[in-house]
Amino acid sequence: KQEVTQIPAALSVPEGENLVLNCSFTDSAIYNLQWFRQDPGKGLTSLLLIQSSQREQTSGRLNASLDKSSGRSTLYIAASQPGDSATYLCAVTDSWGKLQFGAGTQVVVTP
Amino acid sequence: NAGVTQTPKFQVLKTGQSMTLQCAQDMNHNSMYWYRQDPGMGLRLIYYSASEGTTDKGEVPNGYNVSRLNKREFSLRLESAAPSQTSVYFCASQTVDRGSEQYFGPGTRLTVT
Repeated sequence: KQEVTQIPAALSVPEGENLVLNCSFTDSAIYNLQWFRQDPGKGLTSLLLIQSSQREQTSGRLNASLDKSSGRSTLYIAASQPGDSATYLCAVTDSWGKLQFGAGTQVVVTP
Repeated sequence: NAGVTQTPKFQVLKTGQSMTLQCAQDMNHNSMYWYRQDPGMGLRLIYYSASEGTTDKGEVPNGYNVSRLNKREFSLRLESAAPSQTSVYFCASQTVDRGSEQYFGPGTRLTVT
């Protein structure tokens, strides 16, 4: 059974620092990996989707890498801002097309 | 273009009561999903519908039923609510391409007392 782990569970950084969020998964037979952002009391917003054949994806200040063989993905957020405060979830799509989620990393960026 | 909508936003039920959570999408997506999110845990799949007329169980289907009413709408029913079903419920939709993004609704916060 695929297990997705996100460490740390919570992270606090001062504004301007780079954020590094980790995601690991136990079964490398994934279709793709997605990073989501969730604000308190809200739904999920997709940030980046990396296909299994890709090594990384970039969108503005966000960069996500994928190492399928080692079962790891990392989300980098450059020059963090207070507006980046949220919970970040990663999810892998298995070969059946189903998403398996990690528990998330709660990020606080202090001014 | 509203995306994925869910009703209601909040609901309080007593143990044993029943209710239906509604979900609709206007993106002409084939696949729709119901998840629950509990504190300290990621989202877990309850049921999904790969296309109109089909539904399948996910990881935690016990105590729930679903109906794919048409291509737009996918409802989740709790026949006899239990306190263990207190959770936040999310609906999502996706195109037929399983490599594409899933789009999520805003969620329904359900409390069963």
